[in-house]
Amino acid sequence: KAGVTQTPRYLIKTRGQQVTLSCSPISGHRSVSWYQQTPGQGLQFLFEYFSETQRNKGNFPGRFSGRQFSNSRSEMNVSTLELGDSALYLCASSSGSQETQYFGPGTRLLVL
Amino acid sequence: GQQLNQSPQSMFIQEGEDVSMNCTSSSIFNTWLWYKQDPGEGPVLLIALYKAGELTSNGRLTAQFGITRKDSFLNISASIPSDVGIYFCAGPLRWGNQFYFGTGTSLTVIP
Repeated sequence: KAGVTQTPRYLIKTRGQQVTLSCSPISGHRSVSWYQQTPGQGLQFLFEYFSETQRNKGNFPGRFSGRQFSNSRSEMNVSTLELGDSALYLCASSSGSQETQYFGPGTRLLVL
Repeated sequence: GQQLNQSPQSMFIQEGEDVSMNCTSSSIFNTWLWYKQDPGEGPVLLIALYKAGELTSNGRLTAQFGITRKDSFLNISASIPSDVGIYFCAGPLRWGNQFYFGTGTSLTVIP
């Protein structure tokens, strides 16, 4: 099976802009979780989608949003970018919430 | 927030040495997972543990699911330079459906 794919791999934006990141889970996986990783904060949970419904949400402002499509692909959107949003954004897929998560390579976002 | 305490935070060892790191929690976990992350890449699953007391090996790696379900350890034997990276423990709580990650152990192997 193909692994989790994320696009784009690298992105440079300026403050105030918005960005959309995409994640394609492993075939058959219905759960997609998003994480933000920064050197100082480690892996921070953003949200989890299962069958197009957001089931869990981390402690991030409303500028961070996501959605999941019927084919389980997921997108994450960040509006009004801030310098502190520079991070590696990871998505992980699993067959269910309690199941093992498999990560994509991540999208490296740099906000200038 | 995270509920996993991972130690040590960092390790510097000579090539060929054995490595041990552990993860503890105040909550009961259903599953313990160990991941390795190389710089700029996503974490890669190393070992998954599903039963209390389970001891599982993957090559030079051995991990155990603590009997209390609140801890796990990972051992790496005869370390080599490509073992360099950050190791994370993770898992879902027994109750609920969110994954939690440890703060990571940064491993440096000196040739």
